[in-house]
Amino acid sequence: EPEVTQTPSHQVTQMGQEVILRCVPISNHLYFYWYRQILGQKVEFLVSFYNNEISEKSEIFDDQFSVERPDGSNFTLKIRSTKLEDSAMYFCASSEGETYNEQFFGPGTRLTVL
Amino acid sequence: ILNVEQSPQSLHVQEGDSTNFTCSFPSSNFYALHWYRWETAKSPEALFVMTLNGDEKKKGRISATLNTKEGYSYLYIKGSQPEDSATYLCASFGSARQLTFGSGTQLTVLP
Repeated sequence: EPEVTQTPSHQVTQMGQEVILRCVPISNHLYFYWYRQILGQKVEFLVSFYNNEISEKSEIFDDQFSVERPDGSNFTLKIRSTKLEDSAMYFCASSEGETYNEQFFGPGTRLTVL
Repeated sequence: ILNVEQSPQSLHVQEGDSTNFTCSFPSSNFYALHWYRWETAKSPEALFVMTLNGDEKKKGRISATLNTKEGYSYLYIKGSQPEDSATYLCASFGSARQLTFGSGTQLTVLP
């Protein structure tokens, strides 16, 4: 069964460093998403991506964040200059459609900023 | 209701018991309600996507109902098994075109 994959599973970085989190969505899906969950808090929406551009983004998704689909398979989240408060579990998801379709989640990348 | 709220926060039941939990969500500008099952160290797995008032969906021993007018959904598990132990998340999709998640209900089924 097709699944969303994410790499790395765990990333440790120093404050101020750039990180790139990688995702491979399910191949025939058209919508891609990034979410994060800070320890002990709710899962939060960051951004959705469709047709090679950002569809929606939350207030969390500021200028420090960017997303890209560099080729036909990968979907990346870049954090330009990490802060301590960026430490969280980051989940990628994909879906066939936007409103009425289930989203398929990857296993997540745990980002630790020191 | 501005946020998505779930209750109870956690629940312990005996194997064979039936159980249910609640998700409350904003009823205005509502498009769809998602339920996910999330086992520790695994990806959240979609259970249901519900859109219409009065919708009822079923997958095996798990079923869900939706009331969009009052903004709530119930998830039912009949004859709970230890493998049902997981966190059950609901999320509302509205006119902001993003999923807003509840905190989840952590279910433990004791053998």
